[in-house]
Amino acid sequence: KNEVEQSPQNLTAQEGEFITINCSYSVGISALHWLQQHPGGGIVSLFMLSSGKKKHGRLIATINIQEKHSSLHITASHPRDSAVYICAAQYGGSQGNLIFGKGTKLSVKP
Amino acid sequence: GAGVSQSPRYKVAKRGQDVALRCDPISGHVSLFWYQQALGQGPEFLTYFQNEAQLDKSGLPSDRFFAERPEGSVSTLKIQRTQQEDSAVYLCASSLAPGANYQPQHFGDGTRLSIL
Repeated sequence: KNEVEQSPQNLTAQEGEFITINCSYSVGISALHWLQQHPGGGIVSLFMLSSGKKKHGRLIATINIQEKHSSLHITASHPRDSAVYICAAQYGGSQGNLIFGKGTKLSVKP
Repeated sequence: GAGVSQSPRYKVAKRGQDVALRCDPISGHVSLFWYQQALGQGPEFLTYFQNEAQLDKSGLPSDRFFAERPEGSVSTLKIQRTQQEDSAVYLCASSLAPGANYQPQHFGDGTRLSIL
């Protein structure tokens, strides 16, 4: 069964802290997505990666194919980063539908 | 608008009623996905369209769930004889390519369905 596991489930940080959210998946994937979901439901795609590392502003996503593991890092965290961060895997095939983790609820305190 | 639009944003229905949820994808996007997100959980795949063809409906939880995309653009997810366990946020996503591998998916804001 294709599964995606995220940790931690909940994370509280002080403004300015470096944050890491972890994601592991069970079998080989075609791509790994990191998504941000704000209260009210809207989902924004942050990264899609199949190898290596990507950086956008204060966000960095890495993936280790051999270990079937990905991390999302936030540097110099800010209260506006508070959201649910979801890891999702594409397991190949022609469709590309996503298998989602349960999400990590991040709260950054000022 | 430029993004994926879903309506209504909120829907409250009595158990047993039928509901219809609409998704208007980004213009020109070939792939369209429906996902169901229960409270505190990650979204789960329901069904996939490539243009007007429903190529995968393996995630639909029962035969009370029906989705269509007759002209390859707007899609409707219909739930018949709603049950309390149908309460969830229903998310629609679209992607430019036929087959969304290696493609970003663009999500709507979802429809929050509450069954009383």
